[in-house]
Amino acid sequence: GEDVEQSLFLSVREGDSSVINCTYTDSSSTYLYWYKQEPGAGLQLLTYIFSNMDMKQDQRLTVLLNKKDKHLSLRIADTQTGDSAIYFCAEKGSGYGGATNKLIFGTGTLLAVQP
Amino acid sequence: GAVVSQHPSWVICKSGTSVKIECRSLDFQATTMFWYRQFPKQSLMLMATSNEGSKATYEQGVEKDKFLINHASLTLSTLTVTSAHPEDSSFYICSARDRLAGGLETQYFGPGTRLLVL
Repeated sequence: GEDVEQSLFLSVREGDSSVINCTYTDSSSTYLYWYKQEPGAGLQLLTYIFSNMDMKQDQRLTVLLNKKDKHLSLRIADTQTGDSAIYFCAEKGSGYGGATNKLIFGTGTLLAVQP
Repeated sequence: GAVVSQHPSWVICKSGTSVKIECRSLDFQATTMFWYRQFPKQSLMLMATSNEGSKATYEQGVEKDKFLINHASLTLSTLTVTSAHPEDSSFYICSARDRLAGGLETQYFGPGTRLLVL
């Protein structure tokens, strides 16, 4: 079945760049998403990328997609303490040919930003 | 952006009682809502997909008689945990599907409801 993997933890210093990585297995993925979850809260959509794109930039956020290697990354420039949270990547399949069209989430990466 | 609310934000109940959780889309109509469950240090697990006016579709391993879902309107879905037991203690998160420009569909998540069954 579909699988999405992330490393569990990432620690950076304030002002540095953070890069959170994600790998997935579903080759029929149409959209890939990054969500942020702050303590005790639900998920907040940060950004998304369509599967035919290589890169998307949105202010401090840069998403890179390597479809051949099924690798997605989220780069946060000038990381701040308020960026400390759990970051989930998620992929959505096409729904065709037996593939799911549900959102499949990774395990989440806890980003710790040290002052 | 689209806003989804959940009520209550947390609830503590005694074992054997039933608990109802509401999920509302505040500024858009959601024909489809999703219910997730999240255990500590784990990712979200989809429990069921709720379509307005029809029966919910449950994921494998989720008891439909224990987790009753009602999606009576385009802005409200409810999840009732019947005869709750301590193992049902968890963080329940709902999401509502919205269709963005260009055909992109995405889900907007509520803030979650933390359930503790004593």
